[in-house]
Amino acid sequence: QSALTQPASVSGSPGQSITISCTGTSSDVGAYNLVSWYQQHPGKAPKLIIYEGSKRPSGVSNRFSGSKSGNTATLTISGLQAEDEADYYCCSYAGSVVFGGGTKVTVL
Amino acid sequence: QVQLVQSGAEVKKSGSSVRVSCKASGGTFSSDVISWVRQAPGQGLEWMGGIVSIFATPNYAQKFQGRVTITADKSTSTAYMEVRSLRSEDTAVYYCAREVPAAGSFDYWGQGTPVTVSS
Repeated sequence: QSALTQPASVSGSPGQSITISCTGTSSDVGAYNLVSWYQQHPGKAPKLIIYEGSKRPSGVSNRFSGSKSGNTATLTISGLQAEDEADYYCCSYAGSVVFGGGTKVTVL
Repeated sequence: QVQLVQSGAEVKKSGSSVRVSCKASGGTFSSDVISWVRQAPGQGLEWMGGIVSIFATPNYAQKFQGRVTITADKSTSTAYMEVRSLRSEDTAVYYCAREVPAAGSFDYWGQGTPVTVSS
């Protein structure tokens, strides 16, 4: 199973909105609504921020939102803040688990 | 609150094996799915496989079939992951993580165990 495709980097100014795409196939992202997103700061374990495509775990800011269209899932971060600077990974489950290559978000 | 505590850093020689442990508390270990995810230096996340201790039947990513063994001990709520025939490309931080039931996502993570493979 090939890794999902994410842009290597995305940047934005504080207060702006940014989007991160995650492209898979009809066998993973497009097959089920089981896409999750993780935020990872340097030297830390990943943190779940979106599951089942658009659901937020308790305690995760509502500035994070997820959506999906066809074989592409999207993470949107609105009202960008300095603390959002991190690596972000998408993940799809379809019998097996596959992650995206990761996107580095820089807050300008 | 679920907590996953992993064993400490390891330095191994090429060709040897390493076993990493992950002790769970605060959840229902016997029915939880515990997965293992690794991250090579400067690289992304890679799912290796997972196990539900009540069934004791692991599920592996194709890449790791035959070289990785995942087990679970219900009596101590501890999952284990062993990698054999280590090579330099196995140098990574290894994480255990609990799967959200039926959601295919990971809500609790261990702190990570760095494994360094040297020749």
